[in-house]
Amino acid sequence: DAKTTQPNSMESNEEEPVHLPCNHSTISGTDYIHWYRQLPSQGPEYVIHGLTSNVNNRMASLAIAEDRKSSTLILHRATLRDAAVYYCIPSYSGAGSYQLTFGKGTKLSVIP
Amino acid sequence: ETGVTQTPRHLVMGMTNKKSLKCEQHLGHNAMYWYKQSAKKPLELMFVYSLEERVENNSVPSRFSPECPNSSHLFLHLHTLQPEDSALYLCASSQDLFDRTEAFFGQGTRLTVV
Repeated sequence: DAKTTQPNSMESNEEEPVHLPCNHSTISGTDYIHWYRQLPSQGPEYVIHGLTSNVNNRMASLAIAEDRKSSTLILHRATLRDAAVYYCIPSYSGAGSYQLTFGKGTKLSVIP
Repeated sequence: ETGVTQTPRHLVMGMTNKKSLKCEQHLGHNAMYWYKQSAKKPLELMFVYSLEERVENNSVPSRFSPECPNSSHLFLHLHTLQPEDSALYLCASSQDLFDRTEAFFGQGTRLTVV
């Protein structure tokens, strides 16, 4: 599995954009990049995933570097509800395999 | 509400007890998973089921015994646990085993072993 590096913690002001970085320099060409988040006292929640090009959904945007060794999760306007631990997870996409391996993630605090 | 329901939400058990955790999904998913989340540690994948067959067992002690009677239900049977097994146990499901689909997690069972 590709190893990831994320900041332990980040802070954002409410209603400001947030850019959460992730380095995954050992990623292979077929690994998808997944982002999940875990709110306090809840199970993880899917945020977004992508392979090569940038991706958008109603929750966030995912910007993937051209060399795929890093990615950035973008929350366009942070709300208090976005305070959570965010996990960046590159995972092997070969047939018959499931490796969704969580690291320590980035704890995001949102300041009112 | 993710569509994955875990019961009970909280459980306290003695080291000599036998208990079971239940997970249920009606999302039509074919793959189900058990994860363990200990305090201050990342989530650890314990078991993976695909179409009711176990496909992965990540060196989990035999005091944890999974069961998948059908594609909608997953159990984790617990017996003679240790205090260090106290943790949040999370169930998840996904459409299929391949990791390009999103996984849905339950809210977990907070287990305390006394």
